[in-house]
Amino acid sequence: RKEVEQDPGPFNVPEGATVAFNCTYSNSASQSFFWYRQDCRKEPKLLMSVYSSGNEDGRFTAQLNRASQYISLLIRDSKLSDSATYLCVVRGGGADGLTFGKGTHLIIQP
Amino acid sequence: NAGVTQTPKFQVLKTGQSMTLQCAQDMNHEYMSWYRQDPGMGLRLIHYSVGAGITDQGEVPNGYNVSRSTTEDFPLRLLSAAPSQTSVYFCASSLDRATYGYTFGSGTRLTVV
Repeated sequence: RKEVEQDPGPFNVPEGATVAFNCTYSNSASQSFFWYRQDCRKEPKLLMSVYSSGNEDGRFTAQLNRASQYISLLIRDSKLSDSATYLCVVRGGGADGLTFGKGTHLIIQP
Repeated sequence: NAGVTQTPKFQVLKTGQSMTLQCAQDMNHEYMSWYRQDPGMGLRLIHYSVGAGITDQGEVPNGYNVSRSTTEDFPLRLLSAAPSQTSVYFCASSLDRATYGYTFGSGTRLTVV
């Protein structure tokens, strides 16, 4: 059972472009949603929470579609430093309520 | 404010050896957890604790023990290391697992030979 699914990529995107990727989740009772960023050989770091009304943090916009059970992350004006793996995280379904997707690998090219 | 501190950063064990991975947080977080991350598998929960004296099993608990005698510390013990336990281990803590995101430690890279 794949509870949180993400396209593993890699997404190769030129610097300055806009990139978006989605994540789908299977548990309709899920209540909290997050995007994490993980750099190579580093720990995951919280990028942003995702709220029902959608939310923005600088160049990053997160959207939640409960009816279709997917979460999206939009990155505008991408920077080389945005290259990382982005993990979709959902509360609900796992033993402690938090389930991690396997991540989407993003490569920003100069 | 150190956040979540994990030691050691790297470890090589022989099959059958035991060891303890240390995790400490100074943020007064009640919730702590241990994950392992393997290529292509994502993060998988090993054990978690919702407060001092309370622990519970996650998705992949076999071969691991935990205890939570204080709010700050949540060590993970490998009872008899096996090559299948070669992985990167992350400790994480949260003020409230339902609402807030996790703060992760920098990880321990374990190789069992």
